[in-house]
Amino acid sequence: SQQGEEDPQALSIQEGENATMNCSYKTSINNLQWYRQNSGRGLVHLILIRSNEREKHSGRLRVTLDTSKKSSSLLITASRAADTASYFCATDGTSGTYKYIFGTGTRLKVLA
Amino acid sequence: GAVVSQHPSWVICKSGTSVKIECRSLDFQATTMFWYRQFPKQSLMLMATSNEGSKATYEQGVEKDKFLINHASLTLSTLTVTSAHPEDSSFYICSARDRKRDIYNSPLHFGNGTRLTVT
Repeated sequence: SQQGEEDPQALSIQEGENATMNCSYKTSINNLQWYRQNSGRGLVHLILIRSNEREKHSGRLRVTLDTSKKSSSLLITASRAADTASYFCATDGTSGTYKYIFGTGTRLKVLA
Repeated sequence: GAVVSQHPSWVICKSGTSVKIECRSLDFQATTMFWYRQFPKQSLMLMATSNEGSKATYEQGVEKDKFLINHASLTLSTLTVTSAHPEDSSFYICSARDRKRDIYNSPLHFGNGTRLTVT
């Protein structure tokens, strides 16, 4: 399966703490994206990092990409209860099909 | 901007009936839409790629006669679950890519999903 792996599968932290999630993938990529999903809802795009980029920031989000290790991390700083959701990484692969394969996801719970 | 409307949000049907799910891009055009299936507490599994004006491309193991996809316009793709059975009960999600954006580096826009329950 092309599906990426994410760890941890579940993470529970206190409000104000930082949350770090990791994603590993298997094939060469054009870009890697992170999405958030609230329970029973669709996914919301958070951030896209291109294969030639190593780090990207957006508000409280920081994403790193290491193509040599085929891995990425998502850091959420100063977490809030509203950040409680599932987070997925997605990779497109360079096979030319332009479809995205999603990782297994990390369920984040931020306790108020 | 970039809103995808998916309808219905939930549906309950009897075994043996067919159910149609619609996915519409409201403020952009999408030559490509994707259909996913998601089981509780699991990731999204890509079922098929829907291409405007042509046949859908199904992932390995997905029955194309069971899950009929029609992408008749640049803003609408439909997924029909035919002769539904309880094992088809799941959360189905569509996504779309804006045709005007760079195909290599643009996000997917997701609908809010459809919860299908087959009794």
